[in-house]
Amino acid sequence: NAGVTQTPKFRVLKTGQSMTLLCAQDMNHEYMYWYRQDPGMGLRLIHYSVGEGTTAKGEVPDGYNVSRLKKQNFLLGLESAAPSQTSVYFCASRSAAGTSTNNEQFFGPGTRLTVL
Amino acid sequence: QKEVEQDPGPLSVPEGAIVSLNCTYSNSAFQYFMWYRQYSRKGPELLMYTYSSGNKEDGRFTAQVDKSSKYISLFIRDSQPSDSATYLCAMSEWRDDKIIFGKGTRLHILP
Repeated sequence: NAGVTQTPKFRVLKTGQSMTLLCAQDMNHEYMYWYRQDPGMGLRLIHYSVGEGTTAKGEVPDGYNVSRLKKQNFLLGLESAAPSQTSVYFCASRSAAGTSTNNEQFFGPGTRLTVL
Repeated sequence: QKEVEQDPGPLSVPEGAIVSLNCTYSNSAFQYFMWYRQYSRKGPELLMYTYSSGNKEDGRFTAQVDKSSKYISLFIRDSQPSDSATYLCAMSEWRDDKIIFGKGTRLHILP
């Protein structure tokens, strides 16, 4: 099992460019999450999904869109990148609430994005 | 007041020392309490979890939850240089969709 994988690992964008980050999990998890991690700010939830075809806003959703067309994939889109979106982006997945012995989230390795 | 407070450190201790990491929280509905470890340039991984109050031990690691004080701790005995990482506390309510993370404490174990 690969667990949670993220594509790409690194990316440099210019202001105004668009891109899509791909997250894939092979654990048949219902829930998937996108976080950004910045120095001194910890993990901040951008968007999440509790099942195929569903999405919901997290703490910092502005400037991002997401889609969950397949259960195993969760896409994060930046339509018009800004320097403030320079960050490390982590995807995570977990079983549905109440179906596992703990609430463990499994994280991907991260995508380092720089917006110039 | 933030929902979860965690001292960012950095915390530097000599090898072999006992390390104490702590978080406080404000939401009395939290039931699951977790500690994640994150090595540099890696994703976080679950280290310990506790349901409700009490202690849980796993090798050199002990997690404590005091719900009356809204305070959780992670103790590391016989600390090793390989324990150098950022430790994030995390917690959630019963059957909640989201987990709330602390900002993480950077720990350095000095050889």
